[in-house]
Amino acid sequence: KAGVTQTPRYLIKTRGQQVTLSCSPISGHRSVSWYQQTPGQGLQFLFEYFSETQRNKGNFPGRFSGRQFSNSRSEMNVSTLELGDSALYLCASSLDTEPGAEAFFGQGTRLTVV
Amino acid sequence: KNQVEQSPQSLIILEGKNCTLQCNYTVSPFSNLRWYKQDTGRGPVSLTIMTFSENTKSNGRYTATLDADTKQSSLHITASQLSDSASYICVVSTRGSTLGRLYFGRGTQLTVWP
Repeated sequence: KAGVTQTPRYLIKTRGQQVTLSCSPISGHRSVSWYQQTPGQGLQFLFEYFSETQRNKGNFPGRFSGRQFSNSRSEMNVSTLELGDSALYLCASSLDTEPGAEAFFGQGTRLTVV
Repeated sequence: KNQVEQSPQSLIILEGKNCTLQCNYTVSPFSNLRWYKQDTGRGPVSLTIMTFSENTKSNGRYTATLDADTKQSSLHITASQLSDSASYICVVSTRGSTLGRLYFGRGTQLTVWP
């Protein structure tokens, strides 16, 4: 059974550009969550999708957006990139959104903004 | 304020030795607590997940304990191996919310020396 797949693994962008990251959850999983990980802040919750609907959102500016498709694949978009957006972006998938559900993480996309 | 604090921030031990990592949380209402292992540049991998009623849970050489009264958890690693070198992250989720609303500690960076 394939795990959570994130693409691309590495990305270099310049300030002001926009970027789209992709996450394919484990087959059968309908919930996808996104997190930003930086050395200074650790893992921070961005948003959560379930059946194409955003269920929860963290405290990030509107430049960060996402969506989920009917096949549960999810994309995250960051517009007008800033240097501080450089981070490892992780997505996690689970069967449902219950607090006790097991969450499986992808390998992450390492975004560097220069 | 919902917070998860981990200690120590970093730890160096010799191969074969045991160690204990600590996690204190103020997250409420509590649903479950998880320990994840994250190798450098990779996504976190679940080690254990414990609910309110569970005091101890083991996964091979990893044993997690939970004291819901004092809101403390520990992760004990026995007979450490070089492959145990990683960041160990304590994660707490709340009742009444969805899976995505996870609260992360900043992790303990464990280095095992030969």
